[in-house]
Amino acid sequence: DAGITQSPRHKVTETGTPVTLRCHQTENHRYMYWYRQDPGHGLRLIHYSYGVKDTDKGEVSDGYSVSRSKTEDFLLTLESATSSQTSVYFCAISEGVGSPLHFGNGTRLTVT
Amino acid sequence: GNSVTQMEGPVTLSEEAFLTINCTYTATGYPSLFWYVQYPGEGLQLLLKATKADDKGSNKGFEATYRKETTSFHLEKGSVQVSDSAVYFCALSVDNQGGKLIFGQGTELSVKP
Repeated sequence: DAGITQSPRHKVTETGTPVTLRCHQTENHRYMYWYRQDPGHGLRLIHYSYGVKDTDKGEVSDGYSVSRSKTEDFLLTLESATSSQTSVYFCAISEGVGSPLHFGNGTRLTVT
Repeated sequence: GNSVTQMEGPVTLSEEAFLTINCTYTATGYPSLFWYVQYPGEGLQLLLKATKADDKGSNKGFEATYRKETTSFHLEKGSVQVSDSAVYFCALSVDNQGGKLIFGQGTELSVKP
């Protein structure tokens, strides 16, 4: 693993509750990404960050927000979880544009 | 826009068979191309990459050649093993888009002894 830790690894929550997923890296990489993985869709980008306090939306950003107050941490928040947000969430890091992404082991989120 | 299309799975092969997983792309810029592999319960791992036309990426017996004329990046392996059973993802990144990867939907490979 490229020094990426996602927490929690598994979470079950109820519809309407807020949820925060954490990604922590020890590689000092500038770029961090949140993807969700769903059957038949591959991985889809939710949000990404290109530096502390610098973030941008991906293709499926509705219902999600992110924050990056330190280089090593990238938080993904579901403001009010819905069943459609049941998924496996992956964090990834990269040294820069054109470099490969290195992925964490994922967080499996179930919204009941 | 940018997109990646992979052949649908699951693909089931016998050990030592030849593997091809097709991948084609559309891109507005000049992309870098990647293959990632995901074993059960794990995150994605980089398998190989190519950054310009006619480049061949290779790793662990897998190969893929960047074909600009056919916008393809097909994954091949001459002799698969049971341990190659996994989900394989083709992906691209375009330099002017923050390094983010755009993935195909994944192809599940199952290798039987």
